[in-house]
Order: sequence, then C-alpha cells, then structure tokens
Amino acid sequence: EDKVVQSPLSLVVHEGDTVTLNCSYEVTNFRSLLWYKQEKKAPTFLFMLTSSGIEKKSGRLSSILDKKELSSILNITATQTGDSAIYLCAGSGGGADGLTFGKGTHLIIQP
Amino acid sequence: NAGVTQTPKFQVLKTGQSMTLQCAQDMNHEYMSWYRQDPGMGLRLIHYSVGAGITDQGEVPNGYNVSRSTTEDFPLRLLSAAPSQTSVYFCASSYFRPSLTNTGELFFGEGSRLTVL
Repeated sequence: EDKVVQSPLSLVVHEGDTVTLNCSYEVTNFRSLLWYKQEKKAPTFLFMLTSSGIEKKSGRLSSILDKKELSSILNITATQTGDSAIYLCAGSGGGADGLTFGKGTHLIIQP
Repeated sequence: NAGVTQTPKFQVLKTGQSMTLQCAQDMNHEYMSWYRQDPGMGLRLIHYSVGAGITDQGEVPNGYNVSRSTTEDFPLRLLSAAPSQTSVYFCASSYFRPSLTNTGELFFGEGSRLTVL
C-alpha cells in the first residue's frame, strides 16, 4: 500500500523563525513528489520534485528531494503570519492514477 | 478564469438520501478526480477519469459513483448517504494523468462540505 508520512503534524513558531517540514514516501512506480499549501479552501501548488538533490526555490520557500532516503523537506525562512496553513505532501505514481497525500503539517506562525 | 468549479459548497443530507456533487473545469483537462478530506486523514482519492467515457476507482470508492460524459464535467454521486461520508470533497484536474507525466500538478476546486445526519 502506498504511503506518505509527514512530520511534524503540527508546529507553532514565531514570526521570523525558519521551519523545516518533513515528508517520507513509499509509492510504487514513484514519479514525483509535490508540495501544496492549503489555507481555508483549495490546496494550491507549491513545488514538484522529480530529481534527487536539486533544490526548488520560490521566494522564502525551498524544497529538495532525496530519492535514496525516500524523503523530501520543505523549508520556509523568515516566516510570516501569512505562511500559516496546512502544508500537504503528495507522491505521484502508485496503483491508482492519482496522488497519495500525507496527513499534512498544520503550521501556525505567531506574531 | 473559472478553473475548477464545484457545486454545492455546502450540503446537509439525511442518512439514506442520494445526491450529486457537481464538478466542471474549463481548462480542457483530460484528467479529473475526486478526493475526500477528513480530519487527521489527509486527502484520499475516491474516483478518477483519464478522459471522456473512462472512469476508474481510487483508494476509497465504496458508496460513490462517477461518470464522464464530457471533458468538462465529472459529477460524483452518493447513492445512499451514510454518516461516514461526512467530509469535505475536492474535485481536481490536470492536463495529463499523474502517473504518465512529470507534470502531476493538480488544480483543485474550492471544495464541497457535506454533512450526513
């Protein structure tokens, strides 16, 4: 059975801190690892990672994939209150043709 | 600039009732899917379609039916609602199926919150 595990499940930090969110995966026929941000409604796409060791960056957010360790991290530097959200990790591949999601990390940024 | 549109946004049903959640996309996406999101469970795939006339089951298909008569529409039917189907339902689409490409980004609708009493 395909599985994606995220840690921590919840995290509270102060504005300005740097956070690292973790994702490990066991997905048959793995193709890519995706990160989404979910605020109040629909998840919105952040990154897609297919190659090990190549960092993807967008502003204060960055992510990297380690295919040997079957894991990925999402870093957020100089956090702001607007970064408060649930961050979802998902793997593509697998038996059914869709994404296998982790349970998410609920990140709260306190002013 | 509609993207993926889901209706209704909220619905309350009694056990045993049936209903249809509507999903429409205007991006000419071949792939469409339905997920449910429950607290502490993440998003789980219910059904998906890789093109008009083609549907298949995901991780949690029991109690749900789908059809894909057009590229744009992918309705989800609850046949006889049960309290265990209380959830937030998301429709998502993409140009190609996630397993065949490295462009697995899904575009999500805003969700439909369903409560079954």
